[in-house]
Amino acid sequence: DSGVTQTPKHLITATGQRVTLRCSPRSGDLSVYWYQQSLDQGLQFLIQYYNGEERAKGNILERFSAQQFPDLHSELNLSSLELGDSALYFCASSTQGRNYGYTFGSGTRLTVV
Amino acid sequence: DQQVKQNSPSLSVQEGRISILNCDYTNSMFDYFLWYKKYPAEGPTFLISISSIKDKNEDGRFTVFLNKSAKHLSLHIVPSQPGDSAVYFCAASSNSGGSNYKLTFGKGTLLTVNP
Repeated sequence: DSGVTQTPKHLITATGQRVTLRCSPRSGDLSVYWYQQSLDQGLQFLIQYYNGEERAKGNILERFSAQQFPDLHSELNLSSLELGDSALYFCASSTQGRNYGYTFGSGTRLTVV
Repeated sequence: DQQVKQNSPSLSVQEGRISILNCDYTNSMFDYFLWYKKYPAEGPTFLISISSIKDKNEDGRFTVFLNKSAKHLSLHIVPSQPGDSAVYFCAASSNSGGSNYKLTFGKGTLLTVNP
């Protein structure tokens, strides 16, 4: 157990629908990152939050949004889903400083049918 | 634009031999590099890192080498074990300060260690 909890582990939904992925960071970590891993793609950075505030944005579609709540958990909302959104979505958290990189959750596998 | 490139999608080695995984980067602002290992159905886990002020970092069977002039790093695993079979991701970051940094990942290399 890495200490980063992602739910649900698997999600199957239809095109056009909206889903919410949830992430609880490791205790004490203030930063949360969301990454997408599609087939044959590396880990694509989507967005970072630090202590409730958005800090960095990557290749995140306008149909996607995220937030970090006062208890530091984060949610990634995906709407108007398309077949191409099928992927593994990882959440990671980190402490201040970068010497140890991120701690990843086990991911949510989203399948859009 | 792929700033971190792992040009070998897969690598197969015999148990006990050396595994060498390569990574190239294009962004000269990157100054900290990490390797992650990922097993199926799990998230990536941190393996080893290196700062740009060093050219080598060793941790047990794992050694990372950094060649800044060539913008190239490599991960050596000696000796390789079947349990090392996994996808290995190279990642890089630049010094944006404090809590605000992001890692840029390569596409990964699938290492298979054959008994």
